[in-house]
Amino acid sequence: TQLLKQSPQFLSIQEGENLTVYCNSSSVFSSLQWYRQEPGEGPVLLVTVVTGGEVKKLKRLTFQFGDARKDSSLHITAAQTGDTGLYLCAGVTQGGSEKLVFGKGTKLTVNP
Amino acid sequence: GAGVSQSPSNKVTEKGKDVELRCDPISGHTALYWYRQSLGQGLEFLIYFQGNSAPDKSGLPSDRFSAERTGGSVSTLTIQRTQQEDSAVYLCASSPTTKHYEQYFGPGTRLTVT
Repeated sequence: TQLLKQSPQFLSIQEGENLTVYCNSSSVFSSLQWYRQEPGEGPVLLVTVVTGGEVKKLKRLTFQFGDARKDSSLHITAAQTGDTGLYLCAGVTQGGSEKLVFGKGTKLTVNP
Repeated sequence: GAGVSQSPSNKVTEKGKDVELRCDPISGHTALYWYRQSLGQGLEFLIYFQGNSAPDKSGLPSDRFSAERTGGSVSTLTIQRTQQEDSAVYLCASSPTTKHYEQYFGPGTRLTVT
């Protein structure tokens, strides 16, 4: 069972375009993180969101946590080739044994 | 400062051999995690160490997998009698006490079992 579903799985766009990727679940998370991973490297933390409805901006990247804390989105404005990579969301499960669970990621390619 | 380091960066081994993968976490980070990432898959949790507490081994796929953390710092993941399905990238991450779930990853070890 996949706790966190990311969509789309693959996305190829031209430089300058806008895009949104999604991270959805039927479970509630106490917090959610977004990571970017480049080939041959480990994931790098971009942002943590903890409050339902929270919006965080990181330059051209906008992250939103759903009101019910079950889903999140990442919007990139005016994509650049340097944005190319695998975008992973990860949520901290609630309950007795808290764990960080990862989605399978969205592989983004920004073409020049 | 220095980030998480892992060694070796690549390991090719024959089926049936044992391998050891090493992780050096960020100094002062008390939490350490091991994950496995197969092609086209997300990160699969393997094991988690927090300070002096007993490790959470709930993600280890079989008893061929084990890990230890010496002196609350360096960790070694051992895979015995490797199988072809063990081929993957093994990632280590560490986290500071106060931000437990904000993890800092190493570059990974790519394991290929032939």
